[in-house]
Amino acid sequence: DSGVTQTPKHLITATGQRVTLRCSPRSGDLSVYWYQQSLDQGLQFLIQYYNGEERAKGNILERFSAQQFPDLHSELNLSSLELGDSALYFCASSAGRGNSPLHFGNGTRLTVT
Amino acid sequence: ILNVEQSPQSLHVQEGDSTNFTCSFPSSNFYALHWYRWETAKSPEALFVMTLNGDEKKKGRISATLNTKEGYSYLYIKGSQPEDSATYLCAFPASSGNTPLVFGKGTRLSVIA
Repeated sequence: DSGVTQTPKHLITATGQRVTLRCSPRSGDLSVYWYQQSLDQGLQFLIQYYNGEERAKGNILERFSAQQFPDLHSELNLSSLELGDSALYFCASSAGRGNSPLHFGNGTRLTVT
Repeated sequence: ILNVEQSPQSLHVQEGDSTNFTCSFPSSNFYALHWYRWETAKSPEALFVMTLNGDEKKKGRISATLNTKEGYSYLYIKGSQPEDSATYLCAFPASSGNTPLVFGKGTRLSVIA
């Protein structure tokens, strides 16, 4: 058990809709990262938060947004969903240094129909 | 753009065989190199974080070496077992300090009993 909790485990929704993915980091970890894994793609970095502040942005679409709350949980909001947004979305947390390992949640499998 | 290359893409070995695979990364501005194991239907799990040139880390039958001057790391599995079947990912911080990891696409290992 990594200590990172992600909900929901599965989401099935229609194109054009909006969904929210939730993540609670491991106790003591201040950094939260969101990654996307699509078919035949590796883990693509979306966005990082550290202690409530956005720290780094990767290949995150404008239709997607995220935030980290004072209790350090994070939410990833995906709107105007398209078929191509179907993917496995992982949240990970770490102590926030480059030599700190990432601890991954179990992921949310999003299917857009 | 930071690029982390892994080879081979996939590997099939017989139970009891020893095997190894490679991760190549930019040798300039090295900070750390991470290895993760990702079993099917689970989330990636940290194996090693390596920071020093010439470093060698070991966990059971799995070990890893690091050459920061030439920009590569090897992961070795001795006496492969079916439970070693997984995708092995390496990752590199985008820069030093509190930055996200850039992941390679992984090496998918299948160990045949």
